Amino acid sequence: DAKTTQPPSMDCAEGRAANLPCNHSTISGNEYVYWYRQIHSQGPQYIIHGLKNNETNEMASLIITEDRKSSTLILPHATLRDTAVYYCIVRGGDDMRFGAGTRLTVKP
Amino acid sequence: ETGVTQSPTHLIKTRGQQVTLRCSSQSGHNTVSWYQQALGQGPQFIFQYYREEENGRGNFPPRFSGLQFPNYSSELNVNALELDDSALYLCASSLLYRGTEAFFGQGTRLTVV
Repeated sequence: DAKTTQPPSMDCAEGRAANLPCNHSTISGNEYVYWYRQIHSQGPQYIIHGLKNNETNEMASLIITEDRKSSTLILPHATLRDTAVYYCIVRGGDDMRFGAGTRLTVKP
Repeated sequence: ETGVTQSPTHLIKTRGQQVTLRCSSQSGHNTVSWYQQALGQGPQFIFQYYREEENGRGNFPPRFSGLQFPNYSSELNVNALELDDSALYLCASSLLYRGTEAFFGQGTRLTVV
């Protein structure tokens, strides 16, 4: 079973930052937080992952709270092509357990 | 592009038949995981292979089986197909370490009629 809770849907205006929340209150010390997105039933696309420090790459930033019970994925300047289902996953063992994700719609 | 390739991209089978799906992992990766994604749902973990051995399994019956080859490519076999097996089947390759990225292929769309 997925160990994360995400809102089912969110909207964001094009050019604005998209902030996608994720709760993972039962996360343990050796578990990582991963984010993937999926567009039109293509294979999930890796975005970013982290353990306890905030992370940034060319796609997004990941902010993890100090107690590690929640995190936020930030897309700094959302475009229409960022419309997708975003999955937050806690990975402790070697498999990933997906939940239902957040459907992000970026609007013009 | 992730370097993970799956074949075929689409497949139609009849109930009761058997099917084999294939996955070539990304160069340098030694672990392949398989997922089933029904329409409108998130991917569900089937099993994982590491160094040609099954390394973990989700809640799927034994008629779902797999293989991993010395070059780390993998197959997913499903026997006695049922209508509910219709789904997108995804493979992901990675290193066997929880702190590394896993990259997915584009999937195989299986339809059972």
